[in-house]
Amino acid sequence: NAGVTQTPKFQVLKTGQSMTLQCAQDMNHNSMYWYRQDPGMGLRLIYYSASEGTTDKGEVPNGYNVSRLNKREFSLRLESAAPSQTSVYFCASTEGLAGVSEQYFGPGTRLTVT
Amino acid sequence: QQQVKQSPQSLIVQKGGISIINCAYENTAFDYFPWYQQFPGKGPALLIAIRPDVSEKKEGRFTISFNKSAKQFSLHIMDSQPGDSATYFCAALGGGADGLTFGKGTHLIIQP
Repeated sequence: NAGVTQTPKFQVLKTGQSMTLQCAQDMNHNSMYWYRQDPGMGLRLIYYSASEGTTDKGEVPNGYNVSRLNKREFSLRLESAAPSQTSVYFCASTEGLAGVSEQYFGPGTRLTVT
Repeated sequence: QQQVKQSPQSLIVQKGGISIINCAYENTAFDYFPWYQQFPGKGPALLIAIRPDVSEKKEGRFTISFNKSAKQFSLHIMDSQPGDSATYFCAALGGGADGLTFGKGTHLIIQP
């Protein structure tokens, strides 16, 4: 039982490049989330998926797109990376009603955009 | 608008002392208040959580105190140990929003 896994662990992009961050969970959770963490800012919600087939915007969705590929996988795409998107990205999941139970976080992807 | 305000930003406590971190919220529709612990290079992990129908919850050395009328809640770490050195985040959930709203974090250092 690996919990929540994220790939890659580190990535460096040039401005304007695109990439997809991958997230998978093996806990049969219904809800999945993408957060970004910036120094002194805490974690901020980018997008979430309350159940397979649904996605919704969070607090900071601009510049990102998401895909809930199936119940296990939830990907985050940067179509045209900008330096402001330099951050650590965390994926999380939770069972049952979205957010009511514990959110389990992955190890994070550290992204640098130059 | 910051919906969850956390203080202090950093905290140094001697081993065996009590660490106290405070949070205040604005949205009265919040109904779930977890605390997360994060070590460098790792994702946050749930430490303890409380709902507004109780004023205190204790799990081992960790206690949440909750004041609904003041819209404040705090984390107390008793007998603080060097292994408790980490960043702590308070959070809140509810009000029709999915996903957690986090405070900005407290960097805690326990000196041996």
